[in-house]
Amino acid sequence: GENVEQHPSTLSVQEGDSAVIKCTYSDSASNYFPWYKQELGKRPQLIIDIRSNVGEKKDQRIAVTLNKTAKHFSLHITETQPEDSAVYFCAAVPNDYKLSFGAGTTVTVRA
Amino acid sequence: DTAVSQTPKYLVTQMGNDKSIKCEQNLGHDTMYWYKQDSKKFLKIMFSYNNKELIINETVPNRFSPKSPDKAHLNLHINSLELGDSAVYFCASSHWRGGKETQYFGPGTRLLVL
Repeated sequence: GENVEQHPSTLSVQEGDSAVIKCTYSDSASNYFPWYKQELGKRPQLIIDIRSNVGEKKDQRIAVTLNKTAKHFSLHITETQPEDSAVYFCAAVPNDYKLSFGAGTTVTVRA
Repeated sequence: DTAVSQTPKYLVTQMGNDKSIKCEQNLGHDTMYWYKQDSKKFLKIMFSYNNKELIINETVPNRFSPKSPDKAHLNLHINSLELGDSAVYFCASSHWRGGKETQYFGPGTRLLVL
């Protein structure tokens, strides 16, 4: 099955700086990579996703990049704000449609 | 209007008891899931049902038994609760559209076993 590794496990950034979270996956057949954000005490929610036929996707201050050859994908948050503080999960979905989550990254934005 | 709902929201119980958590979705999705999130925040998939059929059954103790009476409901029954079962349990539902899957999570059930 798919194995997704996520780094770092914790990330502290100054407000206004950028945050980058990196994930690797093992199954070369994976073709869909969503990112979920979970605020403290809340449910995970999809914030952005990317398919394998696209190398980069941007939505306001967040962007995702995908390197299929290296089996890497990353989440970039620019101009971080306090409301970006949360746990972020990457995920990969192979052909069997069985979504595998990374272990999560706790992002803290310092004011 | 809630898309995915779970009851109860909090559950405090003694070791050895049997308890159930209920989940309902009104999104018309065919697939539903149960996840366990421990204190380290890791989201571990436990079960998945598609149109009332079990399609994912990860390595969980057989004290955990899912039941899907129809495709809008997926309940989780736990027998002989243990301390290590304390966690947040999330139900989710999903659909595939245009090669993308979005999982919609319920609010979670915070289970504390004493």
